[in-house]
Amino acid sequence: DTEVTQTPKHLVMGMTNKKSLKCEQHMGHRAMYWYKQKAKKPPELMFVYSYEKLSINESVPSRFSPECPNSSLLNLHLHALQPEDSALYLCASSPRVELPPNYGYTFGSGTRLTVV
Amino acid sequence: SQKIEQNSEALNIQEGKTATLTCNYTNYSPAYLQWYRQDPGRGPVFLLLIRENEKEKRKERLKVTFDTTLKQSLFHITASQPADSATYLCALDMIERNAGNMLTFGGGTRLMVKP
Repeated sequence: DTEVTQTPKHLVMGMTNKKSLKCEQHMGHRAMYWYKQKAKKPPELMFVYSYEKLSINESVPSRFSPECPNSSLLNLHLHALQPEDSALYLCASSPRVELPPNYGYTFGSGTRLTVV
Repeated sequence: SQKIEQNSEALNIQEGKTATLTCNYTNYSPAYLQWYRQDPGRGPVFLLLIRENEKEKRKERLKVTFDTTLKQSLFHITASQPADSATYLCALDMIERNAGNMLTFGGGTRLMVKP
């Protein structure tokens, strides 16, 4: 299995809702990432998990709460979001934070989030 | 802080020609630089990685160069095809954090190859 699987593919939520995004990989990768991408912009890093521990939080508002229950799973819990949080949320993984030669990140297809 | 610029937002070329995309960065030279392809509504797909001690890397019709003096990488697609139409992103590691490397992306170049 050489994929990163993200669910759901699409999500519409109200500003008072609580929802979660899920990311799964079975490649044995020990580094996992959340990125946010707005239309016609590059992905922006939100969080980095290394060996199931949060190692980088790019000053993301607390309404986004990441969780790494085990080495294959990464969740992003959403609460009290704003319409401007609507974006494509991408999960990625790599063997470890220090990349081996010729190895890039493996990205999922993303969750298209709309906050109404 | 490190800035990454991809000179063209969009590039239109004729099928069969070579597409050349540019990525420039400021400040320190990264340990490696990566190129990704992204199709609409999809996640980026890794294409090539080049390290600071490598001048050039090739993979099939793709070629990447890395000039740490100019602080620039060039990405070439030879014999371009309409199927090569996509957004191409360069990405650098940010090694200033004790937590380890993390990728930061340039703004991307939208390539359109016309038949």
